[in-house]
Formats: sequence, C-alpha cells, structure tokens
Amino acid sequence: DIVMTQSPDSLAVSLGERATINCKSSQSVLHSSYNKTYLVWYQQKPGQPPKLLIYWASTRESGVPDRFSGSGSATNFTLTISSLQAEDVAVYYCQQCYSLPYTFGQGTKLEIK
Amino acid sequence: EVQLVESGGGLVQPGGSLRLSCAASGFTFSSSWMHWVRQAPGKGLVWVANINPDGSATNYADSVKGRFTISRDNAKNTLYLQMNSLRGEDTAVYYCATVVGGAAIYGAWGQGTLVTVSS
Repeated sequence: DIVMTQSPDSLAVSLGERATINCKSSQSVLHSSYNKTYLVWYQQKPGQPPKLLIYWASTRESGVPDRFSGSGSATNFTLTISSLQAEDVAVYYCQQCYSLPYTFGQGTKLEIK
Repeated sequence: EVQLVESGGGLVQPGGSLRLSCAASGFTFSSSWMHWVRQAPGKGLVWVANINPDGSATNYADSVKGRFTISRDNAKNTLYLQMNSLRGEDTAVYYCATVVGGAAIYGAWGQGTLVTVSS
C-alpha cells in the first residue's frame, strides 16, 4: 500500500497570511504513461463531507478560489493557501489515486492564529 | 446538480449486519464508478470499496474483504454496501462518492450515514 504522510498535523496561521501543508507518498504517484500525477487534495469542515480542491496535484477544481494551489511531483506535494480566510478553517487531506487501495494522509487541521 | 444521499446506518451489535444505500441523481449513474469511503469518529478518511459502472468488477480494502459487499442497481440509480460480521472498528460515517477525471478523484460526496457497532 502507498502510505501518505502529511505535515504538520496542525497549523495555526494569521488571517491574510500564507498556509502551507505538505504531503509525502511512500512511492511515486506519477503515472508516466499518462504523464499525470495521481495526487488529490480535499478540504473537510466540521460535520460536512470532504470537498474536492485540487487534483492531478495542481489542477484546481471548478469553483475553488484561486488562493488555493497545489504543487509537487513524484512523492512530495504541497497545498498552499496564499492568503488565509476565516472560511478556510478546516482539515485538509491528501489522497493518492494511483493504485489500490486508495489511501489518504492523516489530515492537517488548519486554524486561525 | 449531482446528489448522493446515503441511508441505512444505525446501531448494530458486533457480529450483526447492515445494508447501506446511496441514492444518486444529477449525473449518469450507470456510466460512473462508485466508491464507499468511511471515517471513524474524529479520525481520517479510509477507502472501503469500489465498483465499476456495470457492476461486474469490485475491489475492497483488506479490512473489509470477505465481510462487505458492494453492489449497484443502475435501474434504480442506487449503490449499496452490504456489511456482515460487523466489528467495533467498523464504527464510522460511511460516505458514497462518485469520481471525476477517469480516476479515483472524488468529485462528489454524500452527507454520510453513521454506523455504530456496539453491544
């Protein structure tokens, strides 16, 4: 199984400041045949299901604010929120969709400082 | 608008059974891979099972293999998860999800249904 490890486990950032969440996979999730990186980011607010933010490591889902961006390749990935808003308080998960079983990171809890 | 509505959760004793349903609308259900993902209280997300569009192929997490069965009825636009031999560690909110991009990218989720396994 591919193990996904996020860091940090929790993060407190001031409003308007940058938030950075890291995700590392135990093996590459780059599918060379398709030239796509099978890495996804979700946001989950309390009492709600997860919401898709970023897929293919850096493609923003329709309707997601452009302050959210994803980067990285192969085994190391980053979710960046360029200017934190109050509504961004949530738990963020990365997920690999490269191979079964599909696995998620343990989550990063983002709070306001 | 894509809608996924789970039902069937509840309290069940260890060793018992439960069947979850997920009613889908707003997209072509019969052409879509469907997945179940669960989340234990206060914990992270765990993939459980998936099924291909015509129901001929299924995959399961090792933790549920042999106990859970995923199925679908495309005439009713409904996904199912039959859960047998339930254990305390199966206690979780169960989400159904559909995918985008031809991969296990969960573009839409239901609100979830809570399964509690306890005596």
